[in-house]
Amino acid sequence: EIVLTQSPGTLSLSPGERATLSCRASQSVSSTYLAWYQQKPGQAPRLLIYGASSRATGIPDRFSGSGSGTDFTLTISRLEPEDFAVYYCQHFGSSLYTFGQGTKLEIK
Amino acid sequence: EVQLVESGGGLVQPGGSLRLSCAASGFTLSSTWMHWVRQAPRKGLVWVSAIDTDGTYTGYADSVKGRFTISRDNARNTLYLQMNSLRAEDTAVYYCARDLSHYGAFDYWGQGALVTVSS
Repeated sequence: EIVLTQSPGTLSLSPGERATLSCRASQSVSSTYLAWYQQKPGQAPRLLIYGASSRATGIPDRFSGSGSGTDFTLTISRLEPEDFAVYYCQHFGSSLYTFGQGTKLEIK
Repeated sequence: EVQLVESGGGLVQPGGSLRLSCAASGFTLSSTWMHWVRQAPRKGLVWVSAIDTDGTYTGYADSVKGRFTISRDNARNTLYLQMNSLRAEDTAVYYCARDLSHYGAFDYWGQGALVTVSS
């Protein structure tokens, strides 16, 4: 079973700064099946990125995804106040769907 | 507009049963796989179960296998999760989510239904 490890656990940044969030898989995975979600308190998750680098419908272009193999990155180019939330990576493989433990992006 | 609305959550005693429903609108339910994902209080997301377009295939996380059953009624545009032999560790918000075909991701989510298992 693939394990996804996200780092850091908490990231403290200011609006306008660049955020880089990491997701590492326990073994090499297909980029096609790597996604990122944003979740704000009391809300359902929202799909940001699928296929490692494709933005979902309505997602601003300040969000970008990259990576391959075991290392994937979600980058937010310039943080807006509404971007402070928890972010999860997720993988599908061998009929199983796995989430990372999440990175909390908080205002510094 | 795609909408998913869960119902059926509540408080249940350990060993009890509960059935969640997810009403879908704004798209053709019969054309997509569907999932249930849960989130325990102050914890992360955990995939629970999946079902293909006509219910022929179902998949489950090991933690719920043999206790939970996913099903669908495409004519009623509704997804279900029958939960039996509930345990305290099943306490969570349960989300239904639509499958993004070919990518193994979840592109639309409901608002969630809270299930609390406690005596």
